[in-house]
Amino acid sequence: GAVVSQHPSWVICKSGTSVKIECRSLDFQATTMFWYRQFPKQSLMLMATSNEGSKATYEQGVEKDKFLINHASLTLSTLTVTSAHPEDSSFYICSARDPGLAGSRETQYFGPGTRLLVL
Amino acid sequence: GESVGLHLPTLSVQEGDNSIINCAYSNSASDYFIWYKQESGKGPQFIIDIRSNMDKRQGQRVTVLLNKTVKHLSLQIAATQPGDSAVYFCAESYSGTYKYIFGTGTRLKVLA
Repeated sequence: GAVVSQHPSWVICKSGTSVKIECRSLDFQATTMFWYRQFPKQSLMLMATSNEGSKATYEQGVEKDKFLINHASLTLSTLTVTSAHPEDSSFYICSARDPGLAGSRETQYFGPGTRLLVL
Repeated sequence: GESVGLHLPTLSVQEGDNSIINCAYSNSASDYFIWYKQESGKGPQFIIDIRSNMDKRQGQRVTVLLNKTVKHLSLQIAATQPGDSAVYFCAESYSGTYKYIFGTGTRLKVLA
């Protein structure tokens, strides 16, 4: 199946700094990518939908100025956590939709996740 | 709607037994449902999906059942193996959006 990668797999940063997480679709072009956040022992919470060449659509309660999303190419979306604080520590997961099968929603592939720890 | 849980319910089954994991979804307009398996520290892995025009779908060792009347989804795993130990999530989606909304999740522990 299609492969989605994330980089870095884990990152530790100081409070107040910014962290960038990359999500790449390795063998297909993804017009749409999604960013999720997962706290320990909890479910995946959708943060935003990233569309190539346009602004991201954020879910209710997610601060767009804090979580900057850029989808500059069909294989790369980035999530930047700005001015990170300890409460931003979480597991961030991206997924990418393969539009190869028209109208098919099942073609969404998940990355391995990035664990962020803010000290 | 979105589901947030303070802790994950756990299902413990003996190796070789069948497992049934349940999920209640929230949106009556949802017409596409997916089950994912997530191992510790990894991203979700696709298991099986089902559309709302079906009430049952079978895969290899797995079966998904959909009851739209009560908005309930279940995942049945036959002959559960140690490698099946993980957290299982259901997700729902509805026509007009590619977004998935994930359920609370269930931890499956397989006892040797």
